[in-house]
Amino acid sequence: DAGITQSPRYKITETGRQVTLMCHQTWSHSYMFWYRQDLGHGLRLIYYSAAADITDKGEVPDGYVVSRSKTENFPLTLESATRSQTSVYFCASWDGNQPQHFGDGTRLSIL
Amino acid sequence: TQLLEQSPQFLSIQEGENLTVYCNSSSVFSSLQWYRQEPGEGPVLLVTVVTGGEVKKLKRLTFQFGDARKDSSLHITAAQPGDTGLYLCAGERGNEKLTFGTGTRLTIIP
Repeated sequence: DAGITQSPRYKITETGRQVTLMCHQTWSHSYMFWYRQDLGHGLRLIYYSAAADITDKGEVPDGYVVSRSKTENFPLTLESATRSQTSVYFCASWDGNQPQHFGDGTRLSIL
Repeated sequence: TQLLEQSPQFLSIQEGENLTVYCNSSSVFSSLQWYRQEPGEGPVLLVTVVTGGEVKKLKRLTFQFGDARKDSSLHITAAQPGDTGLYLCAGERGNEKLTFGTGTRLTIIP
């Protein structure tokens, strides 16, 4: 089915561990985005990508790494997780014209 | 720095009442979007307002963009339990990035 899917939906890990959140879209949208959602902050942009092999920092990029080797995938990696990175993470895609489409989120807890 | 402040942060009212949610900024936006988000899901777009002073209606929901394109409001008439959710405004400044507001969590009590 067409759409945008995130995996895993839930993840618990420990501080210092590496964790990767996956995002896959089937529309071939050029743009993809990663946001984190925390109470009182709405959604804050972590990283975004305008096309394959093109990525750029958003508002809160520290501690995160992204890559985009294929148009349809945009993984987000926390290289050494910290408790402050406990959050709900949303991926979105955009064709440059219609509104952004959001995935259903990944709830990440770092103990 | 949060460019878009929403108020109130939480709102709990009885079914049938009216309510207004505000989205304020000191910055000018080329357009303003309103989203609703259900638990366990991503935000879903409700409306986009583009012109200063523009008013758009979506059934019982009325959206207004400020004349100076720095603020917006969402008014719900005769609220129903199905209106419960997190409402987010998001401003666009002519590039690919959206700036989201702080969110208003609305609960309608039957």
